[in-house]
Amino acid sequence: RKEVEQDPGPFNVPEGATVAFNCTYSNSASQSFFWYRQDCRKEPKLLMSVYSSGNEDGRFTAQLNRASQYISLLIRDSKLSDSATYLCVVSRGSTLGRLYFGRGTQLTVWP
Amino acid sequence: DGGITQSPKYLFRKEGQNVTLSCEQNLNHDAMYWYRQDPGQGLRLIYYSQIVNDFQKGDIAEGYSVSREKKESFPLTVTSAQKNPTAFYLCASSERTGNQPQHFGDGTRLSIL
Repeated sequence: RKEVEQDPGPFNVPEGATVAFNCTYSNSASQSFFWYRQDCRKEPKLLMSVYSSGNEDGRFTAQLNRASQYISLLIRDSKLSDSATYLCVVSRGSTLGRLYFGRGTQLTVWP
Repeated sequence: DGGITQSPKYLFRKEGQNVTLSCEQNLNHDAMYWYRQDPGQGLRLIYYSQIVNDFQKGDIAEGYSVSREKKESFPLTVTSAQKNPTAFYLCASSERTGNQPQHFGDGTRLSIL
């Protein structure tokens, strides 16, 4: 079983729509969680960390459910510039600091 | 500006040739990583290093080698033993302690001539 699983999409939504991505992780010892954004042919960039109580950054809201080993990302009022691949990332939190990346969910926002 | 610099941006390899990808960071991070990404695929870990003069194999180390002689530098050599080297190579760094996000360079695209 893969460490991190994501629905690859693609998700095609109109501007202004709300879209949600889900991710599951297999190791219950996982301690840190992140969402990264990757534009076509570019490097991944940190979008936001995910905290146990859930957190929000502008139009983006991340949620964590440790019991179900499930992470989500909600994007409200989608913009054309949100078109990208969103990577779910998990760390076991050992001193090794290794991250496990999902394959990503592709989002296209159309006008 | 602090960051991670990868070079070259594009690289072509001939059959039987070794090539070296450069990665330099000035973030004062202890840990550095090399990933490979194939089209439509996720990132796969090749090698990582937590401190100078120490490194560990990741999930797909065969056909690759690394060195970590300086904190700022973590070059990756793609050897002739790597039969399918065409991919997007990404270098990343993070603070040594666990639970920290990684910051990426802008990548090197390697192709076979």
